[in-house]
Amino acid sequence: GAGVSQSPSNKVTEKGKDVELRCDPISGHTALYWYRQSLGQGLEFLIYFQGNSAPDKSGLPSDRFSAERTGGSVSTLTIQRTQQEDSAVYLCASSSTGKETNEKLFFGSGTQLSVL
Amino acid sequence: AQKITQTQPGMFVQEKEAVTLDCTYDTSDQSYGLFWYKQPSSGEMIFLIYQGSYDEQNATEGRYSLNFQKARKSANLVISASQLGDSAMYFCAMRGRPGTASKLTFGTGTRLQVTL
Repeated sequence: GAGVSQSPSNKVTEKGKDVELRCDPISGHTALYWYRQSLGQGLEFLIYFQGNSAPDKSGLPSDRFSAERTGGSVSTLTIQRTQQEDSAVYLCASSSTGKETNEKLFFGSGTQLSVL
Repeated sequence: AQKITQTQPGMFVQEKEAVTLDCTYDTSDQSYGLFWYKQPSSGEMIFLIYQGSYDEQNATEGRYSLNFQKARKSANLVISASQLGDSAMYFCAMRGRPGTASKLTFGTGTRLQVTL
């Protein structure tokens, strides 16, 4: 596609339920990133995929959070047993290779997650 | 570890005036890149400008310029001739040398309001 696509754009769930957030990166981009942005805050890194390398999971806040990237393209971020503090905008980004210092990230429009 | 500090939670500027948004950083890498992104109320993240640590000239992109002072570890964004459409959140970010964690580390942002 022309840009990074995320779905759903909005998700309302009940505390304790599992949710899946989807990201479709720019075609040909091998690097994919997930960030979380709480209301009025900066971007918190969650996880990074680069090609076939093992993902950098250093930002995942707990073992309730996981992500996978199938076929080197689409990624799914899964949050199990959601808590109210998980409410945030989840942003996905991609870049061409993830190997160059000057590579800019292209962001999707985000998924607004609300946990009631 | 890399750290970005943006000390101005909010800034006001009159239309057609110039404004400087502050950013300081901390890293042990000798080679790194600095980025500025704009986030309007719509939520999308828009890349503005990039500065490499070895670039001899300060980066410029239209009305945006980056005042890079390496010894002070600062990378301030200057917006000239402010327009109402410049009202948004502005984030400073950095990436270390290739081979280290390729994610961008973001600051907490500055909310800019352009007034008539």
